[in-house]
Amino acid sequence: GDSVTQMEGPVTLSEEAFLTINCTYTATGYPSLFWYVQYPGEGLQLLLKATKADDKGSNKGFEATYRKETTSFHLEKGSVQVSDSAVYFCALSVPANQGGKLIFGQGTELSVKP
Amino acid sequence: GAVVSQHPSRVICKSGTSVKIECRSLDFQATTMFWYRQFPKQSLMLMATSNEGSKATYEQGVEKDKFLINHASLTLSTLTVTSAHPEDSSFYICSASLPGQGWNTEAFFGQGTRLTVV
Repeated sequence: GDSVTQMEGPVTLSEEAFLTINCTYTATGYPSLFWYVQYPGEGLQLLLKATKADDKGSNKGFEATYRKETTSFHLEKGSVQVSDSAVYFCALSVPANQGGKLIFGQGTELSVKP
Repeated sequence: GAVVSQHPSRVICKSGTSVKIECRSLDFQATTMFWYRQFPKQSLMLMATSNEGSKATYEQGVEKDKFLINHASLTLSTLTVTSAHPEDSSFYICSASLPGQGWNTEAFFGQGTRLTVV
């Protein structure tokens, strides 16, 4: 079945360091791919998305490129801030006629130290 | 973007009582809503898909008699945890999708409800 695998956390970085969180997926069709962010005690917020191969999603300095050949959607940011500390979830979408649900990776906790 | 509101954000109840959690789409009509459960430092586990006007579809291993879902209108779905026990303590999150999105299903999430059963 469809699945998402993320690199394990926690990831601890110093402020202004470069961030990469790896995400790979398995899907039978052509899913859309998402990164969600969860701050402590809150629900999930969409960070960015890509709907087809070679699309690049970007938001708030974060980027991820939909790579069909490597089935990957790695999240990157050139210079992290303390306020980026959160849990990041990679997800893919199942089409609406198959339920329209999201399948999540296990989440990667990011901690940025000043 | 679309807004989903979940209420309450935090609830403490006694063992054996029932708790209702509401999920509302504030500025769009959601024919489909999803209920997730999240354990500490873990990912979201889909419990059920709630469809307006029909019965919810539960994931394998989720007790439908314990977690009652009602999607009575296009803007409201409720999750009732019946006869709650301490092992039901968890963070429950709802989401709603914009209708007719095909593969591009984007979900909007509520703030989550922290349930503690004592």
